[in-house]
Amino acid sequence: GQNIDQPTEMTATEGAIVQINCTYQTSGFNGLFWYQQHAGEAPTFLSYNVLDGLEEKGRFSSFLSRSKGYSYLLLKELQMKDSASYLCAVSYPYGQNFVFGPGTRLSVLP
Amino acid sequence: ETGVTQTPRHLVMGMTNKKSLKCEQHLGHNAMYWYKQSAKKPLELMFVYSLEERVENNSVPSRFSPECPNSSHLFLHLHTLQPEDSALYLCASSQDDRGDEKLFFGSGTQLSVL
Repeated sequence: GQNIDQPTEMTATEGAIVQINCTYQTSGFNGLFWYQQHAGEAPTFLSYNVLDGLEEKGRFSSFLSRSKGYSYLLLKELQMKDSASYLCAVSYPYGQNFVFGPGTRLSVLP
Repeated sequence: ETGVTQTPRHLVMGMTNKKSLKCEQHLGHNAMYWYKQSAKKPLELMFVYSLEERVENNSVPSRFSPECPNSSHLFLHLHTLQPEDSALYLCASSQDDRGDEKLFFGSGTQLSVL
């Protein structure tokens, strides 16, 4: 099966750092994606990890460990506009494509 | 603006109605998808089209009928839906269906079935 878990909700303070974890029980996937979704809007792409290790993109970084079956999204210097749901997804080739986790709703407080 | 446009944004329909959701992508992509997003549940893949041919149908009830007339347009035809079908229906596209290209999502159609 393809079991993907994320915490349901997280709260953090403006200017802080937050780590959102994603654990999975699957194999044979291409890579792991992170998407951001503001309420009532389309999910938008944040990052993609194929190899183990850290991918850094400005305030956002994503980490993947295939051997340990987990990934995390690290958000630095939090801003109010970062309040959103964060979705992790594993991707497979040809047809089966993306399997999404339940999403983590992050609230950034002043 | 992600380059993927969905209409309508909101739809209320009775169980005996027939309606269609429309999706158009302006990105030159070859793969298009329908996803269902219900409250407190993960995004669920419904249909995948690659080069206008259906690649994947994740055991979706026949009351949902997709149509892909060309690589830029995707429809989801709805008939005799149930209240539990109320959800956000998201269209997405990607360069191809190899699974290593990011998805571009539309803003979705919020569907309520009464």
